Amino acid sequence: DTEVTQTPKHLVMGMTNKKSLKCEQHMGHRAMYWYKQKAKKPPELMFVYSYEKLSINESVPSRFSPECPNSSLLNLHLHALQPEDSALYLCASSLSIAGRQETQYFGPGTRLLVL
Amino acid sequence: AQTVTQSQPEMSVQEAETVTLSCTYDTSESDYYLFWYKQPPSRQMILVIRQEAYKQQNATENRFSVNFQKAAKSFSLKISDSQLGDAAMYFCATGGYQKVTFGIGTKLQVIP
Repeated sequence: DTEVTQTPKHLVMGMTNKKSLKCEQHMGHRAMYWYKQKAKKPPELMFVYSYEKLSINESVPSRFSPECPNSSLLNLHLHALQPEDSALYLCASSLSIAGRQETQYFGPGTRLLVL
Repeated sequence: AQTVTQSQPEMSVQEAETVTLSCTYDTSESDYYLFWYKQPPSRQMILVIRQEAYKQQNATENRFSVNFQKAAKSFSLKISDSQLGDAAMYFCATGGYQKVTFGIGTKLQVIP
């Protein structure tokens, strides 16, 4: 089973709203990732969690706040977003064997629209 | 640092024909993987095939195969017997530990 699930599928929010995106995997992977993808562009890495600890933050604005409550769950909390934050947000996971490059498995994404 | 170059923004292929998508890369890693991901209009990024750089044998997955030329840093994807369901954006990727670098993608159209 190589399934990563994401909820919600679609989200519309105003610039003053607070919302959260959720990602879940049950493959025993210990690394989880958030990517942002604009239309017709490749995914851009935002955050990486390894063993529930934040290991990479690609200088993402603080209005995006990641959280990894346990090894299977990854959240992205959103607050005071801007219209330019509208995008597809992809979650991915991988095994996380130190020092080794690995295959990342992606979820279906959440399409976010900020009004 | 890694870079991935896909020089074909769009390609088309007749159904049942063969098409090759090109990719070149550069990496400072000595041990690395290369990937082709497919992203249909439904948007989920799906792993098509991967190649371990230390393996000389080209990877194959059913109708999908790669031509890996390590010295030339080239990693092309061949799709045989193209099907309508192959229509998608294809991303070539490589990277280091926990960080994957994607190319800009090639949009593949399959003509019935």
